[in-house]
Amino acid sequence: EAQVTQNPRYLITVTGKKLTVTCSQNMNHEYMSWYRQDPGLGLRQIYYSMNVEVTDKGDVPEGYKVSRKEKRNFPLILESPSPNQTSLYFCASSLLQGTGANVLTFGAGSRLTVL
Amino acid sequence: AQRVTQPEKLLSVFKGAPVELKCNYSYSGSPELFWYVQYSRQRLQLLLRHISRESIKGFTADLNKGETSFHLKKPFAQEEDSAMYYCAFPNFNKFYFGSGTKLNVKP
Repeated sequence: EAQVTQNPRYLITVTGKKLTVTCSQNMNHEYMSWYRQDPGLGLRQIYYSMNVEVTDKGDVPEGYKVSRKEKRNFPLILESPSPNQTSLYFCASSLLQGTGANVLTFGAGSRLTVL
Repeated sequence: AQRVTQPEKLLSVFKGAPVELKCNYSYSGSPELFWYVQYSRQRLQLLLRHISRESIKGFTADLNKGETSFHLKKPFAQEEDSAMYYCAFPNFNKFYFGSGTKLNVKP
């Protein structure tokens, strides 16, 4: 089944403890991206990647890192999490077309709580 | 700056009533616009895109460049339409989403 898989789905951690949220897709999509969803703010893009070793900032990249060493994987890294990073995180992927990224396929989401 | 505005946080209608979820965008070019939907306990998924000009689950949306709007409409709402709806557009490889409208269809 074509899908985007995120892990963990739920995580409670403490301030300053490094964590990684993994994202994997099996559709051979070039484009992958991370979003956070907060009440009243909708989805905001954190980082995106056009292909292996090509990443760029979205609208809210502060406090996050990403890497794209393989086409199928795009982990989100929080080096020193803070309570304001408590949120619901989504990974999504897409084929690239002439005009850029297109229809997004989303993962199920990862709910992160930072105490 | 690029922006997507969904002015209604919550929209409640009765089953069978018409529904319109508003979306306005701020972009100087010709955007490609999407509506995504998130049903309870399900993933965000594409509902429709303006370029395909389809009707999905009875929903339609027309791009109005003069008003910079892409409102989502359905003539007769069903209870199963209750969900969170997001308007979005990509600017090259950055995606911009609205804040979302929760549609509640009452029996």
